[in-house]
Amino acid sequence: QSVLTQPPSASGTPGQRVTISCSGSTSNIGSQTVNWYQQLPGTAPKLLISSNNQRPSGVPDRFSGSKSGTSASLAISGLQSEDEADYYCAAWDDSLNGYWVFGGGTKLTVL
Amino acid sequence: QITLKESGPTLVNPTQTLTLTCTFSGFSLTTSGVGVGWIRQPPGKALEWLALIYWDDDKRYNPSLKSRLTITKHTSKNQVVLTMTNMDPVDTGTYYCTHRFGELGWGQGTLVTVSS
Repeated sequence: QSVLTQPPSASGTPGQRVTISCSGSTSNIGSQTVNWYQQLPGTAPKLLISSNNQRPSGVPDRFSGSKSGTSASLAISGLQSEDEADYYCAAWDDSLNGYWVFGGGTKLTVL
Repeated sequence: QITLKESGPTLVNPTQTLTLTCTFSGFSLTTSGVGVGWIRQPPGKALEWLALIYWDDDKRYNPSLKSRLTITKHTSKNQVVLTMTNMDPVDTGTYYCTHRFGELGWGQGTLVTVSS
Protein backbone atom coordinates (compact mmCIF):
# COMPACT_ATOMS: atom_id res chain seq x y z
CA GLN A 1 0.00 0.00 0.00
CA SER A 2 1.70 3.17 -1.22
CA VAL A 3 1.46 6.43 0.72
CA LEU A 4 0.64 8.33 -2.47
CA THR A 5 -2.30 7.10 -4.56
CA GLN A 6 -2.16 6.84 -8.34
CA PRO A 7 -4.50 5.11 -10.77
CA PRO A 8 -2.91 1.80 -11.79
CA SER A 9 -3.45 2.42 -15.49
CA ALA A 10 -4.14 5.10 -18.05
CA SER A 11 -4.39 5.07 -21.81
CA GLY A 12 -4.77 7.29 -24.82
CA THR A 13 -4.34 7.40 -28.55
CA PRO A 14 -1.50 9.19 -30.35
CA GLY A 15 -1.97 12.93 -30.25
CA GLN A 16 -4.33 12.88 -27.26
CA ARG A 17 -3.80 14.57 -23.91
CA VAL A 18 -3.63 12.31 -20.88
CA THR A 19 -3.48 13.20 -17.20
CA ILE A 20 -2.30 11.07 -14.30
CA SER A 21 -3.33 11.98 -10.78
CA CYS A 22 -1.45 11.56 -7.51
CA SER A 23 -3.24 11.95 -4.20
CA GLY A 24 -1.53 12.40 -0.87
CA SER A 25 -2.02 14.17 2.44
CA THR A 26 -1.04 17.29 4.34
CA SER A 27 2.20 15.68 5.52
CA ASN A 28 3.48 15.08 2.00
CA ILE A 29 1.98 16.69 -1.11
CA GLY A 30 0.10 19.25 0.98
CA SER A 31 3.34 20.71 2.36
CA GLN A 32 6.10 19.52 0.02
CA THR A 33 6.90 19.61 -3.66
CA VAL A 34 6.22 16.70 -5.98
CA ASN A 35 8.50 14.91 -8.41
CA TRP A 36 7.40 12.70 -11.30
CA TYR A 37 9.48 9.88 -12.76
CA GLN A 38 9.17 7.96 -16.01
CA GLN A 39 10.25 4.33 -16.22
CA LEU A 40 10.48 2.88 -19.70
CA PRO A 41 10.27 -0.92 -19.94
CA GLY A 42 13.40 -2.61 -18.64
CA THR A 43 15.16 0.60 -17.65
CA ALA A 44 15.85 2.63 -14.54
CA PRO A 45 13.45 5.47 -13.80
CA LYS A 46 14.38 9.00 -14.79
CA LEU A 47 13.22 12.33 -13.49
CA LEU A 48 10.46 13.84 -15.58
CA ILE A 49 9.18 16.72 -13.44
CA SER A 50 10.64 18.22 -10.26
CA SER A 51 9.29 20.73 -7.77
CA ASN A 52 5.71 20.25 -8.98
CA ASN A 53 6.18 21.67 -12.46
CA GLN A 54 9.84 22.02 -13.44
CA ARG A 55 11.06 20.09 -16.46
CA PRO A 56 14.72 19.07 -16.44
CA SER A 57 16.73 19.82 -19.53
CA GLY A 58 15.87 17.39 -22.30
CA VAL A 59 12.32 16.63 -21.20
CA PRO A 60 9.86 17.66 -23.93
CA ASP A 61 7.41 20.43 -23.08
CA ARG A 62 4.61 17.97 -23.83
CA PHE A 63 5.07 16.92 -20.20
CA SER A 64 3.78 19.23 -17.49
CA GLY A 65 3.05 18.98 -13.79
CA SER A 66 0.75 20.77 -11.39
CA LYS A 67 -0.23 20.63 -7.75
CA SER A 68 -3.27 21.73 -5.81
CA GLY A 69 -3.74 21.09 -2.12
CA THR A 70 -2.93 17.47 -1.39
CA SER A 71 -3.06 16.31 -5.01
CA ALA A 72 -0.79 16.56 -8.01
CA SER A 73 -1.16 15.79 -11.69
CA LEU A 74 1.04 14.92 -14.61
CA ALA A 75 -0.24 15.89 -18.04
CA ILE A 76 1.08 14.56 -21.31
CA SER A 77 -0.09 16.30 -24.43
CA GLY A 78 0.43 15.17 -28.01
CA LEU A 79 0.76 11.59 -26.81
CA GLN A 80 3.38 9.53 -28.63
CA SER A 81 4.01 5.80 -28.73
CA GLU A 82 7.36 6.32 -26.99
CA ASP A 83 5.50 7.70 -23.96
CA GLU A 84 4.28 4.20 -23.12
CA ALA A 85 5.86 3.64 -19.70
CA ASP A 86 5.25 3.54 -15.97
CA TYR A 87 4.92 6.90 -14.22
CA TYR A 88 5.53 7.51 -10.51
CA CYS A 89 4.88 10.52 -8.33
CA ALA A 90 6.96 11.09 -5.20
CA ALA A 91 7.32 13.57 -2.38
CA TRP A 92 8.92 14.07 1.00
CA ASP A 93 6.69 13.17 3.93
CA ASP A 94 7.13 15.20 7.10
CA SER A 95 5.86 12.53 9.47
CA LEU A 96 7.95 9.97 11.37
CA ASN A 97 11.18 12.01 11.19
CA GLY A 98 10.75 12.50 7.45
CA TYR A 99 10.99 10.07 4.59
CA TRP A 100 10.51 9.91 0.81
CA VAL A 101 7.29 8.35 -0.45
CA PHE A 102 6.25 7.08 -3.85
CA GLY A 103 2.94 6.50 -5.53
CA GLY A 104 2.05 3.02 -6.67
CA GLY A 105 2.77 3.89 -10.28
CA THR A 106 0.57 4.30 -13.35
CA LYS A 107 1.09 2.22 -16.45
CA LEU A 108 0.40 4.35 -19.49
CA THR A 109 -0.65 2.51 -22.64
CA VAL A 110 -0.66 4.24 -26.02
CA LEU A 111 -3.41 2.59 -28.02
CA GLN B 1 28.41 13.94 -15.89
CA ILE B 2 26.92 12.14 -12.89
CA THR B 3 27.10 8.36 -12.88
CA LEU B 4 26.18 5.81 -10.22
CA LYS B 5 26.65 2.07 -10.22
CA GLU B 6 25.42 -0.55 -7.79
CA SER B 7 27.38 -3.66 -6.90
CA GLY B 8 26.79 -6.60 -4.61
CA PRO B 9 25.52 -10.16 -4.53
CA THR B 10 22.87 -11.31 -6.96
CA LEU B 11 21.72 -14.15 -4.70
CA VAL B 12 21.22 -14.02 -0.95
CA ASN B 13 20.00 -16.71 1.41
CA PRO B 14 17.02 -16.00 3.65
CA THR B 15 18.02 -14.52 7.04
CA GLN B 16 21.36 -13.33 5.64
CA THR B 17 22.52 -9.73 5.53
CA LEU B 18 22.66 -7.95 2.17
CA THR B 19 25.46 -5.47 1.54
CA LEU B 20 25.24 -3.23 -1.52
CA THR B 21 27.75 -0.66 -2.65
CA CYS B 22 27.04 2.41 -4.74
CA THR B 23 30.07 3.83 -6.53
CA PHE B 24 29.52 7.25 -8.01
CA SER B 25 31.30 9.95 -9.98
CA GLY B 26 30.59 13.45 -11.15
CA PHE B 27 29.85 14.84 -7.71
CA SER B 28 31.22 14.79 -4.18
CA LEU B 29 29.52 13.77 -0.96
CA THR B 30 31.40 16.55 0.77
CA THR B 31 29.40 19.21 -1.06
CA SER B 32 26.64 20.88 0.91
CA GLY B 33 23.19 19.60 -0.01
CA VAL B 34 24.39 16.46 -1.74
CA GLY B 35 23.03 13.05 -0.83
CA VAL B 36 22.95 9.48 -2.09
CA GLY B 37 19.90 7.30 -1.70
CA TRP B 38 18.66 3.78 -2.29
CA ILE B 39 15.39 2.74 -3.90
CA ARG B 40 14.19 -0.78 -4.67
CA GLN B 41 11.61 -2.33 -6.94
CA PRO B 42 10.22 -5.87 -6.59
CA PRO B 43 9.59 -7.55 -9.94
CA GLY B 44 6.51 -6.03 -11.58
CA LYS B 45 5.83 -3.77 -8.60
CA ALA B 46 6.22 -0.16 -7.56
CA LEU B 47 9.27 1.76 -6.44
CA GLU B 48 10.01 1.83 -2.71
CA TRP B 49 12.39 4.32 -1.12
CA LEU B 50 14.81 2.79 1.36
CA ALA B 51 17.33 5.29 2.70
CA LEU B 52 19.36 8.44 2.09
CA ILE B 53 22.62 9.79 3.46
CA TYR B 54 23.55 13.47 3.20
CA TRP B 55 26.92 15.17 2.90
CA ASP B 56 26.82 16.01 6.63
CA ASP B 57 26.16 12.35 7.55
CA ASP B 58 22.47 12.98 8.25
CA LYS B 59 20.72 9.69 7.56
CA ARG B 60 17.07 9.06 6.79
CA TYR B 61 15.35 5.70 6.57
CA ASN B 62 12.05 4.27 5.43
CA PRO B 63 10.24 3.89 8.78
CA SER B 64 8.88 0.46 7.88
CA LEU B 65 12.40 -0.89 7.23
CA LYS B 66 14.48 1.25 9.56
CA SER B 67 15.31 -1.54 11.99
CA ARG B 68 16.92 -3.56 9.20
CA LEU B 69 18.79 -0.83 7.29
CA THR B 70 22.13 0.90 7.75
CA ILE B 71 23.54 3.43 5.29
CA THR B 72 27.12 4.66 5.45
CA LYS B 73 29.40 6.74 3.25
CA HIS B 74 33.04 6.41 2.32
CA THR B 75 33.72 9.86 0.98
CA SER B 76 37.28 9.31 -0.17
CA LYS B 77 36.18 6.31 -2.24
CA ASN B 78 33.04 7.99 -3.62
CA GLN B 79 31.00 5.13 -2.26
CA VAL B 80 27.86 4.63 -0.23
CA VAL B 81 27.06 1.27 1.36
CA LEU B 82 23.63 -0.04 2.29
CA THR B 83 23.17 -3.05 4.51
CA MET B 84 19.87 -4.80 5.04
CA THR B 85 19.61 -7.52 7.66
CA ASN B 86 17.40 -10.59 7.89
CA MET B 87 16.69 -10.84 4.18
CA ASP B 88 13.46 -12.52 3.10
CA PRO B 89 12.19 -13.65 -0.32
CA VAL B 90 9.87 -10.61 -0.36
CA ASP B 91 13.01 -8.47 -0.48
CA THR B 92 13.76 -9.80 -3.96
CA GLY B 93 13.98 -7.00 -6.47
CA THR B 94 16.10 -4.47 -8.28
CA TYR B 95 18.00 -2.10 -6.01
CA TYR B 96 18.91 1.35 -7.34
CA CYS B 97 21.18 4.00 -5.92
CA THR B 98 20.40 7.61 -6.73
CA HIS B 99 21.80 11.10 -6.48
CA ARG B 100 19.57 12.47 -3.74
CA PHE B 101 16.05 11.54 -4.80
CA GLY B 102 16.96 10.73 -8.39
CA GLU B 103 16.87 14.28 -9.67
CA LEU B 104 20.29 14.11 -11.26
CA GLY B 105 20.91 10.43 -11.72
CA TRP B 106 20.08 6.80 -11.11
CA GLY B 107 22.24 3.74 -11.25
CA GLN B 108 21.34 0.98 -13.67
CA GLY B 109 20.09 -1.14 -10.78
CA THR B 110 21.15 -4.52 -9.50
CA LEU B 111 18.81 -7.47 -9.21
CA VAL B 112 18.95 -9.21 -5.85
CA THR B 113 17.22 -12.55 -5.42
CA VAL B 114 16.54 -13.93 -1.97
CA SER B 115 16.26 -17.70 -2.08
CA SER B 116 17.70 -20.78 -0.51
